[in-house]
Amino acid sequence: GQQLNQSPQSMFIQEGEDVSMNCTSSSIFNTWLWYKQDPGEGPVLLIALYKAGELTSNGRLTAQFGITRKDSFLNISASIPSDVGIYFCAGHRSLYMEYGNKLVFGAGTILRVKS
Amino acid sequence: NAGVTQTPKFQVLKTGQSMTLQCAQDMNHEYMSWYRQDPGMGLRLIHYSVGAGITDQGEVPNGYNVSRSTTEDFPLRLLSAAPSQTSVYFCASSYSGLAEHEQYFGPGTRLTVT
Repeated sequence: GQQLNQSPQSMFIQEGEDVSMNCTSSSIFNTWLWYKQDPGEGPVLLIALYKAGELTSNGRLTAQFGITRKDSFLNISASIPSDVGIYFCAGHRSLYMEYGNKLVFGAGTILRVKS
Repeated sequence: NAGVTQTPKFQVLKTGQSMTLQCAQDMNHEYMSWYRQDPGMGLRLIHYSVGAGITDQGEVPNGYNVSRSTTEDFPLRLLSAAPSQTSVYFCASSYSGLAEHEQYFGPGTRLTVT
């Protein structure tokens, strides 16, 4: 069943505001990933994090791999209308664990931006 | 490159009917997978394949079959459709091994079972 807890479930913010969302798990992951899904499309990889404590940026997006390896955070600065979509966190485990070398996804954070 | 393509984009089935969702990729990726997306549930892995001739079950495999006869294609078969299989289905592909998490997703197939 679902193993990643992603929050908030949805957000409705003003254009220009900063956005924060997070993902937690009871299990350790070796890699944390953040995907964005535009309406009617498949998810697209935004950021991948490989090391506990790592902080990585991609334009206005910044993500962190939690020290405990059980959580990750995504921040979006100065939001714009095209940031609308669903943001998914995903955890990646090493071989020989449940479902092998596979991704486990959170339920997603729906981001809506008021212009 | 077309990337990952899926057909059809939309499908309506009656309970008990069978059908095949098609997925193809032209990036020579070894790893391919099928997910279903339901509201509030994120993406759940149905089946995956690490190469031609090799498939395995994911988190929610019941009611679905897959095969992988070529590197490019990974069809998903619904044996006897049920309303619980109403969902959006995504196919994804990637290189296997350490880059397996860098998955490229197709545009999805929206399936409704009545």
